[in-house]
Amino acid sequence: QSALTQPASVSGSPGQSITLSCSGSNSDVGKYNLVSWYQQHPGKAPQLMIYEDAKRPSGVSNRFSGSKSGNTASLTISGLQAEDEADYYCCSYAGYTTVVFGGGTKLTVL
Amino acid sequence: QVQLQQSGPGLVKPSQTLSLTCVISGDSVSSNTATWYWIRQSPSRGLEWLGRTYYRSKWYFDYAASVRSRITIYADTSKNQLSLHLNSVTPEDTAVYYCARDPSGFQWYFDLWGRGTLVTVSS
Repeated sequence: QSALTQPASVSGSPGQSITLSCSGSNSDVGKYNLVSWYQQHPGKAPQLMIYEDAKRPSGVSNRFSGSKSGNTASLTISGLQAEDEADYYCCSYAGYTTVVFGGGTKLTVL
Repeated sequence: QVQLQQSGPGLVKPSQTLSLTCVISGDSVSSNTATWYWIRQSPSRGLEWLGRTYYRSKWYFDYAASVRSRITIYADTSKNQLSLHLNSVTPEDTAVYYCARDPSGFQWYFDLWGRGTLVTVSS
């Protein structure tokens, strides 16, 4: 299974909304409703932000939302804040008891 | 509060075995709902799942194809921990290793992560 494709970097200004994309295939993202998103600050473990395409764990700000269209999943962050600056990774079940991750997007808050 | 406490050496020589432990507090390694994973992260390979274990009346173990011939995961119910053993390591195995939990069992998302252990493979 190939890794999911994410843009290497995205930037936005405080207060803006930005959308991070995650492109897969009809064998992973497009086939299963099992995309998750993780935020990772430098030197820290990843933190779950979205699961099952669009569900938000308790404790995660409602500024974070997930969606999917075809083979592409998206994470939207509204009302961008300085603390949102981090790396973001998508992940999808890919069948046959395996999961694939994206290469990550570095989000810069200007 | 559920926590995963990792331990293990940060330096392993090539061809030797990498061994890490993850002690679970606030949940059970033999939970009938959760699944427990080992995941690693390196600049060259990104995030990569290595294997998982879960208990559903008996123990199950699944391993990623990339490491299947070299990996063993153990679950120790007396210590409420899981362990990772990866043998015949090479510098390509240098990475930060995480243990993680899927609370739902089979939905392939990870709501809880250990702090990570940087393992360097070098002589």
